[in-house]
Amino acid sequence: DAKTTQPNSMESNEEEPVHLPCNHSTISGTDYIHWYRQLPSQGPEYVIHGLTSNVNNRMASLAIAEDRKSSTLILHRATLRDAAVYYCILRDGDAGGTSYGKLTFGQGTILTVHP
Amino acid sequence: ETGVTQSPTHLIKTRGQQVTLRCSSQSGHNTVSWYQQALGQGPQFIFQYYREEENGRGNFPPRFSGLQFPNYSSELNVNALELDDSALYLCASSYRLAGELFFGEGSRLTVL
Repeated sequence: DAKTTQPNSMESNEEEPVHLPCNHSTISGTDYIHWYRQLPSQGPEYVIHGLTSNVNNRMASLAIAEDRKSSTLILHRATLRDAAVYYCILRDGDAGGTSYGKLTFGQGTILTVHP
Repeated sequence: ETGVTQSPTHLIKTRGQQVTLRCSSQSGHNTVSWYQQALGQGPQFIFQYYREEENGRGNFPPRFSGLQFPNYSSELNVNALELDDSALYLCASSYRLAGELFFGEGSRLTVL
């Protein structure tokens, strides 16, 4: 599995935008970029994913660099509820059925949101 | 639509014992996967089940085994428990590749 690199921790103030970076310089052409987050005492939660184009959903936006070697998860207005560990994960779109349920988690970025 | 549910939420076992953890998948999902999360670490993939058969496994010994039932619910069994098996065990269900996984809240196992 291709490796991702994220900062260990980041801090933000409530109602301000947050940009969480992820480097994946060895990404292959069939790798999708996924983001999950894990709130305290809960299982991971899907946030967003994309392949080449920027993506938006109700939770966040995903900005993907043109060379796909990095991406940024954008939370437009952080709330206290967004305090979590954020994981950037690559999933091979050509891996077949044996990878349907497999995610390779790294250490993630611990996001702290200040009131 | 109900989400992924796991039981029990917490349990304590002693070294050498066996444990069974249970998971009910999200409705319509045909793939169940299990993860182990040690304190302060990201979850580690144990294995996945599709149509009642194991069809993908991480770097875990054979004493970690599982089952998937016709209704897509699943069990994780761990034999000969070791102290290092103390962790949060997460179940996730999914339907297709590159789609999202839905995780339960986990079962926290403590081995004494």
